[in-house]
Amino acid sequence: QKEVEQNSGPLSVPEGAIASLNCTYSDRVSQSFFWYRQYSGKSPELIMSIYSNGDKEDGRFTAQLNKASQYVSLLIRDSQPSDSATYLCAVNKHGNQGGKLIFGQGTELSVKP
Amino acid sequence: GAVVSQHPSWVICKSGTSVKIECRSLDFQATTMFWYRQFPKQSLMLMATSNEGSKATYEQGVEKDKFLINHASLTLSTLTVTSAHPEDSSFYICSASGPTSHGLQGEQFFGPGTRLTVL
Repeated sequence: QKEVEQNSGPLSVPEGAIASLNCTYSDRVSQSFFWYRQYSGKSPELIMSIYSNGDKEDGRFTAQLNKASQYVSLLIRDSQPSDSATYLCAVNKHGNQGGKLIFGQGTELSVKP
Repeated sequence: GAVVSQHPSWVICKSGTSVKIECRSLDFQATTMFWYRQFPKQSLMLMATSNEGSKATYEQGVEKDKFLINHASLTLSTLTVTSAHPEDSSFYICSASGPTSHGLQGEQFFGPGTRLTVL
């Protein structure tokens, strides 16, 4: 079992729809969770971080964390073609500054005009 | 805030030469920097972790004598690919972690990456 798992996709949604990206992790004691966006040929960009159970909203993005289910998700509202990218879920097990991130394999999102 | 730069953004070199890549945190002190490699259509692969003033910790299977890492200050880390060969051609990306206005819980901020092509 991989430590961090995501559906590789591609996930295709029409413009204006909600895109839902899911991630599960295996280590129950994991502390910090991140979503990165990576455009083709570019480096990852941090778009959301979440540390406690529940929802965290930032603009069109909402991260959801459920530690009991070991599940973290990212919702993108009003999806735009510019949101088309690979979304990486990452976990810092110990939540410490300087700790390694464990990445999922990424979900490719395609937003169709 | 939390800006990381890399230089050069791309480099082409002949087989057998060495290439140095710089990674700088521009607006925060990076107590820890990470070096990743990514091949086309593949996931990020962590190569090594470096803490300022200490020797880097390399991931299993990464040759420390081939990929030399120096983290001499809180804003600069370098990766030197020694005696590069065509199979070393890849996208090298650094990231930095440290006290920022964003928080202290393990975020990493990535540089823009360096595309290395070895002929």
